[in-house]
Amino acid sequence: LAKTTQPISMDSYEGQEVNITCSHNNIATNDYITWYQQFPSQGPRFIIQGYKTKVTNEVASLFIPADRKSSTLSLPRVSLSDTAVYYCLVGQRGAGTALIFGKGTTLSVSS
Amino acid sequence: DTGVSQDPRHKITKRGQNVTFRCDPISEHNRLYWYRQTLGQGPEFLTYFQNEAQLEKSRLLSDRFSAERPKGSFSTLEIQRTEQGDSAMYLCASSKAGTGASYNEQFFGPGTRLTVL
Repeated sequence: LAKTTQPISMDSYEGQEVNITCSHNNIATNDYITWYQQFPSQGPRFIIQGYKTKVTNEVASLFIPADRKSSTLSLPRVSLSDTAVYYCLVGQRGAGTALIFGKGTTLSVSS
Repeated sequence: DTGVSQDPRHKITKRGQNVTFRCDPISEHNRLYWYRQTLGQGPEFLTYFQNEAQLEKSRLLSDRFSAERPKGSFSTLEIQRTEQGDSAMYLCASSKAGTGASYNEQFFGPGTRLTVL
């Protein structure tokens, strides 16, 4: 399984755009990149998934360069409620097995 | 609410006691997972069911841990002879296989926080 590396923590202010970068140098051809969000005392929640280039949904955008060795989760105009831990995961689509979480990035948004 | 539910939400027990947790997955999901999360760490996989079959177990799942999913619906996780090191959040997740949807999107419950005194 490809290992991921992401910053332990990030700070931001309300209204700013936040970009969290994840490194996955050993990503395999069949691997997808997925991000989960976790609020305190809750289970993780799926945010976004991509294979290459750019994916956007109502919550975030995911940028993946051509070599796919890294990816960037972009949160536009964050609010206090975006304070959470964000996990970058790499794995095969539809694998149906365990998700492998690292320590994630703790994002703190202040007013 | 049609999400994943877990019961109880909190459990305090004394070392050496047995505890059992329950997870009710989203009704049409045939895959069910158990994870354990300690403070400051991401969730760690424990075991996984497809319908009633337990298909994968982590090395973290010692002999004191047992999980069942009778009839492929709800699941229980039992810990026998609890130890202080078992204190953690136990998370359950479910997913639907074979839909061709996004990569193994798992829907997590709120977790059961276990404290072993």
